[in-house]
Amino acid sequence: AQTIHQWPVAEIKAVGSPLSLGCTIKGKSSPNLYWYWQATGGTLQQLFYSITVGQVESVVQLNLSASRPKDDQFILSTEKLLLSHSGFYLCAWSLVGLWAETLYFGSGTRLTVL
Amino acid sequence: TQTVSQSDAHVTVFEGDSVELRCNYSYGGSIYLSWYIQHHGRGLQFLLKYYSGNPVVQGVNGFEAEFSKSDSSFHLRKASVHWSDSAVYFCAASMNTGYQNFYFGKGTSLTVIP
Repeated sequence: AQTIHQWPVAEIKAVGSPLSLGCTIKGKSSPNLYWYWQATGGTLQQLFYSITVGQVESVVQLNLSASRPKDDQFILSTEKLLLSHSGFYLCAWSLVGLWAETLYFGSGTRLTVL
Repeated sequence: TQTVSQSDAHVTVFEGDSVELRCNYSYGGSIYLSWYIQHHGRGLQFLLKYYSGNPVVQGVNGFEAEFSKSDSSFHLRKASVHWSDSAVYFCAASMNTGYQNFYFGKGTSLTVIP
């Protein structure tokens, strides 16, 4: 069975500080990986997706970056946090195919920027 | 242009009632439609999806959804809700135009009163 693990569960950070969030998928070889940001109020915004190691596509510009250093790992980071980065970050994976049919999500990381 | 719209931000029902959560989409090509559930502070869980065939699809925990091309809709239903069904429900659409094209509605918060 596939499992998706996100870390940390929650972070409280200061404006201007760096950030690194992680996601690991076990039990699925070479999945497509995604980062989503969920604002207070529930709207989901796709940030990045990756279909292979070392290749990441940006969907929106939010002064964030993402990397896929291993087949099963997806990292979201920034060198300088903004207040607007607060929210709930969700990692997801999908099967490889013509397009993403179904997303499977991790438990999320709650980020509070003060 | 909103690809997926959920007209009801909040729905409140009593335990044992039936419920319908509405979703409309706007896209003329091949489309996957799906529903996800998010309990408070958690990640999203996949409920069901439709691409073709029988327009009524069954999901987990007694949920079903019906696709209507004429109405451009994919409404979620449950015949008898339980208090544990209280959550936010997201309708989603993915198109065969790229992995970034996976859109979520704004969500409907369902409250079930015991």
